Amino acid sequence: GESVGLHLPTLSVQEGDNSIINCAYSNSASDYFIWYKQESGKGPQFIIDIRSNMDKRQGQRVTVLLNKTVKHLSLQIAATQPGDSAVYFCAEKPTGNQFYFGTGTSLTVIP
Amino acid sequence: KAGVTQTPRYLIKTRGQQVTLSCSPISGHRSVSWYQQTPGQGLQFLFEYFSETQRNKGNFPGRFSGRQFSNSRSEMNVSTLELGDSALYLCASRPTGVMNTEAFFGQGTRLTVV
Repeated sequence: GESVGLHLPTLSVQEGDNSIINCAYSNSASDYFIWYKQESGKGPQFIIDIRSNMDKRQGQRVTVLLNKTVKHLSLQIAATQPGDSAVYFCAEKPTGNQFYFGTGTSLTVIP
Repeated sequence: KAGVTQTPRYLIKTRGQQVTLSCSPISGHRSVSWYQQTPGQGLQFLFEYFSETQRNKGNFPGRFSGRQFSNSRSEMNVSTLELGDSALYLCASRPTGVMNTEAFFGQGTRLTVV
């Protein structure tokens, strides 16, 4: 099966600082990647995606970077807020329809 | 547009029993996937249904099964429940005909096996 791993299981940041969450993926054929946010008691919520023909994509306060050479994905959150506290998952999709998810990084924002 | 709806939200079952969980996808979505989420394991893919047919299957025992109806609603069934089946079961739907697009998740069904 596929393996999507996260470099750090937990991350604590001060409110207002930038957060960086990393993810390593295993399948070089993966052509689509997503970051999800999951708050306690809720299902995962889409944050941002990126296709393999791109290196960077920006959203509102979030940026995803894709380095295909080392099979690495990162999520940057600017000016982290208490509402950003959650578990963040990366997911990769090789050709086909199945997503493979990492185990998640728990982000805690310190007020 | 209503989101993905899963019922029930919480369930407590005894070992050896069976359970059926329900998922109503977003209107117009014909792809429905099921995932098991346990602490420290992330989301483990169970299976995906499209147009009433199972299109993909993860590495779970045959006790885990599913089906999809003509209105795209899906059910998953777990027979002979084991303590290790305690988890959050998530359903996700995706638009039809669009390959690279996100999956929309429901709130999940929290299953506890005692």
